[in-house]
Amino acid sequence: TQLLEQSPQFLSIQEGENLTVYCNSSSVFSSLQWYRQEPGEGPVLLVTVVTGGEVKKLKRLTFQFGDARKDSSLHITAAQPGDTGLYLCAGGEGGAQKLVFGQGTRLTINP
Amino acid sequence: ETGVTQTPRHLVMGMTNKKSLKCEQHLGHNAMYWYKQSAKKPLELMFVYNFKEQTENNSVPSRFSPECPNSSHLFLHLHTLQPEDSALYLCASSQEPVNNEQFFGPGTRLTVL
Repeated sequence: TQLLEQSPQFLSIQEGENLTVYCNSSSVFSSLQWYRQEPGEGPVLLVTVVTGGEVKKLKRLTFQFGDARKDSSLHITAAQPGDTGLYLCAGGEGGAQKLVFGQGTRLTINP
Repeated sequence: ETGVTQTPRHLVMGMTNKKSLKCEQHLGHNAMYWYKQSAKKPLELMFVYNFKEQTENNSVPSRFSPECPNSSHLFLHLHTLQPEDSALYLCASSQEPVNNEQFFGPGTRLTVL
């Protein structure tokens, strides 16, 4: 059974600080997605990475896929209260349609 | 607006009731999914439909019965549920095969009394 471990599970920091969230597995994935979920809503896709070592930037968010395609990180620079939410990573198996989700990192940015 | 809608958004039902959850996607996708999200647990895949055909049943109890009349609509029929079935039920859709990207609806918050 493939598993994705996210760390930390909870993170509360002040506005303006930087942070990194990790997503690790012993399995290789063909793709890795990051989602953000706000209370009472469904997850919203932020980014997909598919190549080992790939780095993608979305404004203040930087996503990296590990060289071996087993892990990923999400770095947020100068966090803002609007970044508050549950961040989920999900690994895809090529052609299989199934996504394996991590348990999530609940991020709170305090003004 | 993600293009995937779910109704109702909230549902409270007794263990002897029968209810249905509805999902509709306006993205022209060919695959639809039901997930269960419980507190402190990862998202659990329940069912997958490709072009209206069920391709995955992830050992879901028979008190949950999915229906996919066409590639835009997905239902989850509920009967004789248990309190532990209380959770957020999420519908998603995707266009396969494209990098496993799935687009989620807002979910139905289900409470079983």
